[in-house]
Amino acid sequence: AQSVTQLDSQVPVFEEAPVELRCNYSSSVSVYLFWYVQYPNQGLQLLLKYLSGSTLVKGINGFEAEFNKSQTSFHLRKPSVHISDTAEYFCAVSAPGTYKYIFGTGTRLKVLA
Amino acid sequence: NAGVMQNPRHLVRRRGQEARLRCSPMKGHSHVYWYRQLPEEGLKFMVYLQKENIIDESGMPKERFSAEFPKEGPSILRIQQVVRGDSAAYFCASSPPEQETQYFGPGTRLLVL
Repeated sequence: AQSVTQLDSQVPVFEEAPVELRCNYSSSVSVYLFWYVQYPNQGLQLLLKYLSGSTLVKGINGFEAEFNKSQTSFHLRKPSVHISDTAEYFCAVSAPGTYKYIFGTGTRLKVLA
Repeated sequence: NAGVMQNPRHLVRRRGQEARLRCSPMKGHSHVYWYRQLPEEGLKFMVYLQKENIIDESGMPKERFSAEFPKEGPSILRIQQVVRGDSAAYFCASSPPEQETQYFGPGTRLLVL
């Protein structure tokens, strides 16, 4: 079975500052990893995903994440955030072939002016 | 290509009534997934369906909940005799066959009075 931990429930950061949202997972098998963003009262939008290949993954809106197998982590980063990045961010994992996502509890990013 | 459609977006029911949530997957997607998001929590997998088949319902409560994805028409998540604890956002996602990435709809927010 897989599990996902997002240790930071809330992250406040000033506009134009860098941000890192942490995601750690546990699994006895290889995994696929995803980051989704949820704006208030909306659905989830895919930011980026790691399926295989290069461990540095670039996504939309200037976000990137690095898959670190030894640390079992998939942290999300952005070098300079905007007010519009204020949202909730979810990390998810799935085992190949299961098609079932396991989500973390989310990190609420609040960008301050 | 329209995204995943869900309706209604908001649904209010009194305890004991039935709730029917509809999901139309993206064009070309034959796999549908339902997730539930309780207040202040992450998404929890409920069920995975393909046309006319339930593939994995390990996340569905044993009673009162059912899901279907008929040959024609949308997928339906049905909750009978709703209770206050069923109040949540219910998200549908879809994917093409043999692909890992799921695309989420805007959700249905169910409120049980």
